[in-house]
Amino acid sequence: EPEVTQTPSHQVTQMGQEVILRCVPISNHLYFYWYRQILGQKVEFLVSFYNNEISEKSEIFDDQFSVERPDGSNFTLKIRSTKLEDSAMYFCATLRDRGNNEQFFGPGTRLTVL
Amino acid sequence: GESVGLHLPTLSVQEGDNSIINCAYSNSASDYFIWYKQESGKGPQFIIDIRSNMDKRQGQRVTVLLNKTVKHLSLQIAATQPGDSAVYFCAENGSGAGSYQLTFGKGTKLSVIP
Repeated sequence: EPEVTQTPSHQVTQMGQEVILRCVPISNHLYFYWYRQILGQKVEFLVSFYNNEISEKSEIFDDQFSVERPDGSNFTLKIRSTKLEDSAMYFCATLRDRGNNEQFFGPGTRLTVL
Repeated sequence: GESVGLHLPTLSVQEGDNSIINCAYSNSASDYFIWYKQESGKGPQFIIDIRSNMDKRQGQRVTVLLNKTVKHLSLQIAATQPGDSAVYFCAENGSGAGSYQLTFGKGTKLSVIP
């Protein structure tokens, strides 16, 4: 069964450093998402991406965040200058088309900002 | 603001019994409501969804009930098994220009007692 993959599984970084989280979507999916989950809390929407541009973003997704799909396969989330409060699990999710609601989630990247 | 939330944070059920997980929502404009299962250390996994014009939908061992009058959603798991132990989130698809972002509730932890 096709699945969303994410790398790395765990990223430790110093405050102020840049991090790039990578996702490989399911090949025939068209809509891509990033969510985050702070430990013990609910999953929160960050951004949606379709047709090589951002469709929607939440208040969390400020100027420190960016997304791109540079090579047509990987879908990346960049945090330019990490803060302590960015520590969380980051999940990539993909959706095949608008005809269904089954977003497929990757296993997540645990980001720890020291 | 409007949000999706859960009545109970934890639920313990004897193996073989039926489980009922509840969710209250406030955004009456949502088109779909979805249940996700999250096992420890993994990303959310789609279980079942229901459209806002339906009041019941059945899957394999799971049933979702939607009561729009009181804005209540429930997930029923028949013959609960140890593998059902996880955190269950209800979610609604976002309103807006079809980005289909998900808004998650806080989650209910289901523990199955062997």
